[in-house]
Amino acid sequence: DAGITQSPRHKVTETGTPVTLRCHQTENHRYMYWYRQDPGHGLRLIHYSYGVKDTDKGEVSDGYSVSRSKTEDFLLTLESATSSQTSVYFCAISEAGVRDGYGYTFGSGTRLTVV
Amino acid sequence: TQLLEQSPQFLSIQEGENLTVYCNSSSVFSSLQWYRQEPGEGPVLLVTVVTGGEVKKLKRLTFQFGDARKDSSLHITAAQPGDTGLYLCAGESFNKFYFGSGTKLNVKP
Repeated sequence: DAGITQSPRHKVTETGTPVTLRCHQTENHRYMYWYRQDPGHGLRLIHYSYGVKDTDKGEVSDGYSVSRSKTEDFLLTLESATSSQTSVYFCAISEAGVRDGYGYTFGSGTRLTVV
Repeated sequence: TQLLEQSPQFLSIQEGENLTVYCNSSSVFSSLQWYRQEPGEGPVLLVTVVTGGEVKKLKRLTFQFGDARKDSSLHITAAQPGDTGLYLCAGESFNKFYFGSGTKLNVKP
């Protein structure tokens, strides 16, 4: 399903460098989310957006920032990558808030390795 | 500690067997969702249940939401290798959304 794409799919970066991951959607959904998935921790919310320029923190937001200048794009930036940020990152979109029973559509993920 | 506990964590069965996986919590959820995730891909939404006691069927998959809306189960009849994957439950409780850690299912041909 091409409604949501993430780039890059894989990235290796060095400790201390900034990294930006991109999520692009063609569904015109209002809500966009960034999650990380790690063994033993499951999916954890990093940041989310409920509209252009409207963002908020999730449970594991330290060391991450986001921006949403257009409905279709949601960027996640690791300001200074650390080894603890090695993970698989998923973007998700939702037509309305998941609190209203709407489900997520997930991207295919970005596997980030910080060395 | 996860608010949504899934069991079993791992399940390996032969093709044709039936199985049930569970998603339990001490909290009440306004709705619960089930996702399946295949290796290298993102989770895919299977179903949303919103009413206590609700049962939904998706081909060979049967989903049930507990009467008290604290638990849910997923039953698969005559499992096939294509059912292999990580099954995640997720839901909203007191204005926060949670994912369980998943049940990894392997169906052997």
